[in-house]
Amino acid sequence: RKEVEQDPGPFNVPEGATVAFNCTYSNSASQSFFWYRQDCRKEPKLLMSVYSSGNEDGRFTAQLNRASQYISLLIRDSKLSDSATYLCVVNEADTNAGKSTFGDGTTLTVKP
Amino acid sequence: DAGITQSPRHKVTETGTPVTLRCHQTENHRYMYWYRQDPGHGLRLIHYSYGVKDTDKGEVSDGYSVSRSKTEDFLLTLESATSSQTSVYFCAIGRGAASYGYTFGSGTRLTVV
Repeated sequence: RKEVEQDPGPFNVPEGATVAFNCTYSNSASQSFFWYRQDCRKEPKLLMSVYSSGNEDGRFTAQLNRASQYISLLIRDSKLSDSATYLCVVNEADTNAGKSTFGDGTTLTVKP
Repeated sequence: DAGITQSPRHKVTETGTPVTLRCHQTENHRYMYWYRQDPGHGLRLIHYSYGVKDTDKGEVSDGYSVSRSKTEDFLLTLESATSSQTSVYFCAIGRGAASYGYTFGSGTRLTVV
């Protein structure tokens, strides 16, 4: 079993739809969590951190459920430009490297 | 977003040859990382640095070495390239030990033939 698992998709949704991705992690000692966005043949870019209380940035909402060990990303009112692969990242305790573990990503395609 | 640059962007090399990839940052971040990305494996940490001359191994360090003689430069060397090292290599920088997230370079596409 992978330490961080994501549904690879692809998720194909129409413009304006609401779509949600989940990411499960196996290490209960994990301390910090992120979502990254990666466009085709480009580098990953930090989308948002995920806090225990949940956090929102415009159309994007991230949530953490420590009891069930998953994080989620909700995208409201999807735009064509949201088409990308979304990577979740889980970090262990704050060591020198942070021991980041990346999920393999969930691919989203938003269609007109 | 020019705070981190990688060179070269693309490289084709022959099996058995040494290859060095360069990562340069202008952000004065303490932490620098080398990842490789392959289909089905996501991003995997090769080596990282937490200061000048301070480096450590990551998950997939065999066949790779690194050096950091200046804050701004982090070099990744494939000592004797193999076909299994064909990959996309990303450098990343972080102002904290990953807890603040990373900024990635544009990547180097390496093909070993």
